[in-house]
Formats: sequence, C-alpha cells, structure tokens
Amino acid sequence: EVQLQQSGAELVRPGTSVKLSCKVSGDTIIAYYMHFVKQRPGQGLEWIGRIDPEDDSTKYAKKFKNKATLTADTSSNTAYLKLSSLTSEDTATYFCTLQKLGPSGYFDFWGPGTMVTVSS
Amino acid sequence: DIRMTQSPASLSASLGETVNIECLASEDIYSDLAWYQQKPGKSPQLLIYNANSLQNGVPSRFSGSGSGTQYSLKINSLQSEDVATYFCQQYNNYPLTFGSGTKLEIK
Repeated sequence: EVQLQQSGAELVRPGTSVKLSCKVSGDTIIAYYMHFVKQRPGQGLEWIGRIDPEDDSTKYAKKFKNKATLTADTSSNTAYLKLSSLTSEDTATYFCTLQKLGPSGYFDFWGPGTMVTVSS
Repeated sequence: DIRMTQSPASLSASLGETVNIECLASEDIYSDLAWYQQKPGKSPQLLIYNANSLQNGVPSRFSGSGSGTQYSLKINSLQSEDVATYFCQQYNNYPLTFGSGTKLEIK
C-alpha cells in the first residue's frame, strides 16, 4: 500500500524560508509525479506544482514560480517543497500527492499535510 | 487558466436522500475531471476520475457524469459518513485547478 509521510508542523518567521518533506513508502517514487497542493484555513485547494523525480523536471502554477521550489531525492524516495520569502499569506496546510505516470492528472494518494504558520 | 465553478457552496440533506453537486469548466476539459472528498482535519481522497470512473474502494452510491464543460457528482442514499467537503479538479491543462468546494451536511 502506497503511503505518504510528511514532515511536522512549522512555525516560521516572516521573510524566512521553510523546506517541507514528503516520503513515499510502499512503492518507488519514480513511478509517479509528485504534486504539492496548498490549503489555507477554511479555504479551497490550490495547486502549487509538480516534479517528475526521475528527471527532476518541474511545472509550477504561475503564482508560485517565485515562491516554491520542488526537488526530489530518489535514493530516499522523498520529495521536498521549499517556500521562500514567507508572509502571512503562506500560512496554510501543504499536501503532497501522487499522480501515476501518464497523461492523467488526478491524485491517487495524498499525504496527511504539513501545517505552516507564518508569524513573528 | 481553466476556471472551475462549483455549486452549491453548501448543501444540507437528510439521510437516505440523493444529492447532486455541479462543476462547470470555463472551457471544454474532455472529461479530464476528478472528484475528491475531504473530511474535517483530513486530506482529500479520490472518489471519481475521468468524470465517471469510480476509484477502487469507493462505495457505489457515488457516481460521476458529464462531458464538455458540465459535470456532476451524485450521491445516492446519503449516509452520515458522507459529511464532508467535495471538490472537483480538472487535469486537461496546466495549471491544474480545483472548484471552490461544496460543504455537505446532514439535515
């Protein structure tokens, strides 16, 4: 059974950066695209971007191009989301989610989410 | 970007009732549509993909339909465990986009 394990909650200062992790178990990460999705408290879902761990190619939503950086480490079956220049607008839960390789873009598996709070 | 307009924003129904949730895409998405269920404090879970294919393990009271720009999720015989927020998502084109969600409660 495929499972995603995300890093713990973060309390960070405005203007700093944070790096979140998402570890895949039960399968190899290179069998999937890894996506990250943002959800602000009480709000909807917002797609940030995705990485192909096999070749490190990435796609980002325009809004997150200067905010988010996706990387992956195939040796540890883990993907990372780095968020920079944090503001209160970045306070949210961040989910990692897997899409099977291929043209479809729906998400078969989701992590439990990492809550990031930006506050001084 | 493809805009997904979901309705209603909230819905209250009785146990055993049938409910419908709609999603309208701003352009043809060729059935590249998924539905997710999110219970409070949990991550979303895939219910339907390709507009009408039921994900493994999802009860058959859930069904999806539609084509072109108009899609719907139907829940038959509403159960208490169906209390959740439901989201549609298009994957026909990047950036991937979601509807704003429908919060379903039991009357």
